[in-house]
Amino acid sequence: GQSLEQPSEVTAVEGAIVQINCTYQTSGFYGLSWYQQHDGGAPTFLSYNALDGLEETGRFSSFLSRSDSYGYLLLQELQMKDSASYFCAVDYGQNFVFGPGTRLSVLP
Amino acid sequence: NAGVTQTPKFQVLKTGQSMTLQCAQDMNHNSMYWYRQDPGMGLRLIYYSASEGTTDKGEVPNGYNVSRLNKREFSLRLESAAPSQTSVYFCASSEIFRGETQYFGPGTRLLVL
Repeated sequence: GQSLEQPSEVTAVEGAIVQINCTYQTSGFYGLSWYQQHDGGAPTFLSYNALDGLEETGRFSSFLSRSDSYGYLLLQELQMKDSASYFCAVDYGQNFVFGPGTRLSVLP
Repeated sequence: NAGVTQTPKFQVLKTGQSMTLQCAQDMNHNSMYWYRQDPGMGLRLIYYSASEGTTDKGEVPNGYNVSRLNKREFSLRLESAAPSQTSVYFCASSEIFRGETQYFGPGTRLLVL
């Protein structure tokens, strides 16, 4: 199927590093994206991996391994404003499938 | 430069009523999308328009129709609303189809009684 799996919740303290995983069950997709969504807000784009490996954008990095059917988002130097939901999304060509989301809580 | 705009922001409908959700983008993007998001869940693609003049079904198209009015505007119509269509609806656009970055509008919160 075209389902994605993410942990439902992650908690970390300010200044720490956190990794949010995304696993999928099918091959043959164009890329893996990550989006951030604050409560009541719209999703905003964070990162995209078309190829295996690490992509770095400021404090955020994303990784993809097609052979392991797995990707992750790495958030460094956590700030309170990073408390939000994070979604991975896969482009299958004629459908975009979003994961169920991971709610990140950053504690002082 | 407003990005992606959606109207209305909120709407309450009775079962069986119809309505159209409007979406417009001012970024000259070719592709546009409609998603729904139910509480505690990810987004599900309803319909998309890869380019002006084309529309295609996504994962959950039943009960909906769309119109790509021009390059800027992409509307979503509920012909006969059902309580199962209570959701938050997001419109998004991207420069090209399968462009990695989709820009989302603020959403329309719809309640069907």
